[in-house]
Amino acid sequence: EIVMTQSPATLSVSPGESATLSCRASQSISRNLAWYQQRPGQAPRLLIYGASTRATGISARFSGSGSGTEFTLTISSLQSEDFAVYYCQQYNDWRTFGQGTKVDIK
Amino acid sequence: EVQLVQSGAEVKKPGESLKISCQASGYRFPSYWIGWVRQMPGKGLEWMAIIYPGDSDIRYSPSFQGQVTISADEYISTVYLMWSSLKPSDSAMYFCVRLYNWSDRLDFWGQGTLVSVSS
Repeated sequence: EIVMTQSPATLSVSPGESATLSCRASQSISRNLAWYQQRPGQAPRLLIYGASTRATGISARFSGSGSGTEFTLTISSLQSEDFAVYYCQQYNDWRTFGQGTKVDIK
Repeated sequence: EVQLVQSGAEVKKPGESLKISCQASGYRFPSYWIGWVRQMPGKGLEWMAIIYPGDSDIRYSPSFQGQVTISADEYISTVYLMWSSLKPSDSAMYFCVRLYNWSDRLDFWGQGTLVSVSS
């Protein structure tokens, strides 16, 4: 099973600043990676797929990069609605999620 | 508009059976894989099982093989997740999700079904 490791577990950021979240795969997954946002009490929603393609309706403040085993989600100019938990997920071999990174208000 | 609408919250006792549902609309139901994802209280997301309604091809994550059963009714565009004998450790939120393709993103999510199992 491919293990996805996210870091940090919690990221404290001030509104208006940017946040950089990392996701590492235990083996190469090419660019078969998605990012999801889960706000409190809500279902997750798709942000990024193919490592860097924004899903429909997703703000350009969200950007993804990486390939192979190292991936990054960057959120620029954080707004109140961006404080949430973010999960990466690989779909190269079956599918597994990272454990999540919580972005909270500093 | 694609929608996945799940059945309501359930409160059950250990040993009871349960079937929760996810009704899809807004797209051609047989043509997309649908899966179930578990989220235990305060925890992350775990893959459980997926089904392709067009031919009932089913796959389970190893951790959930034998623990749950996934099925689909193409006539009412609904996918089910069933337990024959619930345990307290089955208490969780369950989300149904649509896969854009077999090896691809989860592009639509249901609102979640909360299952509580307690004596």
